[in-house]
Amino acid sequence: AQTVTQSQPEMSVQEAETVTLSCTYDTSESDYYLFWYKQPPSRQMILVIRQEAYKQQNATENRFSVNFQKAAKSFSLKISDSQLGDAAMYFCAYRNGGKLIFGQGTTLQVKP
Amino acid sequence: EAGVVQSPRYKIIEKKQPVAFWCNPISGHNTLYWYRQNLGQGPELLIRYENEEAVDDSQLPKDRFSAERLKGVDSTLKIQPAELGDSAVYLCASSETGGNEKLFFGSGTQLSVL
Repeated sequence: AQTVTQSQPEMSVQEAETVTLSCTYDTSESDYYLFWYKQPPSRQMILVIRQEAYKQQNATENRFSVNFQKAAKSFSLKISDSQLGDAAMYFCAYRNGGKLIFGQGTTLQVKP
Repeated sequence: EAGVVQSPRYKIIEKKQPVAFWCNPISGHNTLYWYRQNLGQGPELLIRYENEEAVDDSQLPKDRFSAERLKGVDSTLKIQPAELGDSAVYLCASSETGGNEKLFFGSGTQLSVL
């Protein structure tokens, strides 16, 4: 069965600095998608970034980028120039076909 | 474009009472999901619909939970009777198909069972 593990329950970063959130996953599939979602106190899941497993190039979206290591089954999220609005819970997720499986989440605190 | 709409936003009930949650997915989205999110944890899938057919309900506690998606659009998730351990946020999401495209989430219903 596929699993997603986020080993950092909480992280903090100074405003304007860079932070990296870790994620590992386990699967026997070769074709799948990986996601990072942000969940602010409003509870709505917001897609931050998506990575297709067959693409070697790491995905980037403005200040957000990933380090995708397929062989190591690692998928970390880097947030550059952190802003106060980045404070939220971040979830790593894996998808192959219909099911989206989430990790336990990392709470990110941004200090002014 | 309207997003995924859920209601109510909050619900407080006493144990053993019934409760229902409603979800209206994005227009044209064939796949609808119900997730349960316990405090401080990631969401877990309860049930997935392709149009009006439940294609994955393996994690749905069928003794007390039921769901329906009439006409392949809106969906209702019901708990009867509710237990203290059912307190959680219930999230609805939709996607165009059941493939690997992204899911769009609603704001969820926070259920408190007293």
